[in-house]
Amino acid sequence: ETGVTQTPRHLVMGMTNKKSLKCEQHLGHNAMYWYKQSAKKPLELMFVYNFKEQTENNSVPSRFSPECPNSSHLFLHLHTLQPEDSALYLCASSQVGTSGGASTEQFFGPGTRLTVL
Amino acid sequence: GDSVTQMEGPVTLSEEAFLTINCTYTATGYPSLFWYVQYPGEGLQLLLKATKADDKGSNKGFEATYRKETTSFHLEKGSVQVSDSAVYFCALTLYGNNRLAFGKGNQVVVIP
Repeated sequence: ETGVTQTPRHLVMGMTNKKSLKCEQHLGHNAMYWYKQSAKKPLELMFVYNFKEQTENNSVPSRFSPECPNSSHLFLHLHTLQPEDSALYLCASSQVGTSGGASTEQFFGPGTRLTVL
Repeated sequence: GDSVTQMEGPVTLSEEAFLTINCTYTATGYPSLFWYVQYPGEGLQLLLKATKADDKGSNKGFEATYRKETTSFHLEKGSVQVSDSAVYFCALTLYGNNRLAFGKGNQVVVIP
């Protein structure tokens, strides 16, 4: 049990569908992250939320839309995806110091395996 | 920028063999260093960490020592088991920055 849960674990969608990935952390952390893991490519950081505010968007296409309603929940809304978006999407959380000090390690969820047809 | 480099290619070895996975880093400050492990079908799990020079992280028989002079954090295990088959990622984060920089990962396959 990692303390970070993700649903669904597997998702198959067509290019015209709209779906959402959900992440919930039970660790009391104040920062959450979305990563994309594709075959034979390094882990890609997509979005960072600190204290519910988005602080980073690594040039992610607008067909991916994150939402962080509170410090425990993170969503990734998907629409009009492309087949190359098929990947494992990982959520993570960590505790960040309020003055920008040292952060602890990130804790990862099990991921959502997304297939776009 | 800050980055992590892991040795190329998968690692295949027999049960009870000695495992070493090399990791070197480039950083402008003094990073904390991590090894994460990803078992088949799962997310990443923290395996061990070290936050300052000469620190040794250890867990489940794995060890890694933070070597500032060689900017390295090599992962070692003296006797691997089939259950150690997984992908291993080296990563770093800088003080005051909550972004993790990951290496490309190494697939480790342990044969009975």
